[in-house]
Amino acid sequence: AQTVTQSQPEMSVQEAETVTLSCTYDTSESDYYLFWYKQPPSRQMILVIRQEAYKQQNATENRFSVNFQKAAKSFSLKISDSQLGDAAMYFCAFAGGTSYGKLTFGQGTILTVHP
Amino acid sequence: DTEVTQTPKHLVMGMTNKKSLKCEQHMGHRAMYWYKQKAKKPPELMFVYSYEKLSINESVPSRFSPECPNSSLLNLHLHALQPEDSALYLCASSQDRSGPRREQYFGPGTRLTVT
Repeated sequence: AQTVTQSQPEMSVQEAETVTLSCTYDTSESDYYLFWYKQPPSRQMILVIRQEAYKQQNATENRFSVNFQKAAKSFSLKISDSQLGDAAMYFCAFAGGTSYGKLTFGQGTILTVHP
Repeated sequence: DTEVTQTPKHLVMGMTNKKSLKCEQHMGHRAMYWYKQKAKKPPELMFVYSYEKLSINESVPSRFSPECPNSSLLNLHLHALQPEDSALYLCASSQDRSGPRREQYFGPGTRLTVT
């Protein structure tokens, strides 16, 4: 069974600064996908970024980038130039090659952005 | 367009009522999902439909009854619910359950209160 651990229940950052959210996972599968989702207080879960395990290159989406360390089973999210709209609950999620639709979520990190 | 819509936004129902939640997507996705989410917790998977057939039921009580009338529409029928069933119910869809396009897109959710 897969597990996903987000060790930071809460984080805060000043506007325009950079923050990194941590995520580690445990799996015996070699084929898998990793995701970061954002859920603002208005509640809609939004896909922020995805990473395929077979790709060595770290995924980036505008101000969001990941540091994917496959051997260490680590998948952290870096948010650059933080904006007030980045304030949300962030979930790290894992989908194994044989999961057929099941996402394993971490417990989430609440990010606060201070003006 | 990555939109998943859900109706109603809010629902209050008594324990003897029968109600339905509706989810719709027009992205041509062939997998659709129901999740239950409690406050400040990750979503919990309830059901997965693939090509309009139920493929995963996560041991959900029979008072929740899913239905997939067509590839764009997913319903969740509710009957004889308990107060502990009060939660945010999220619908999601993905292009497929497996393969490289398995990222899930979520709707805004229905906030359900059982009195």
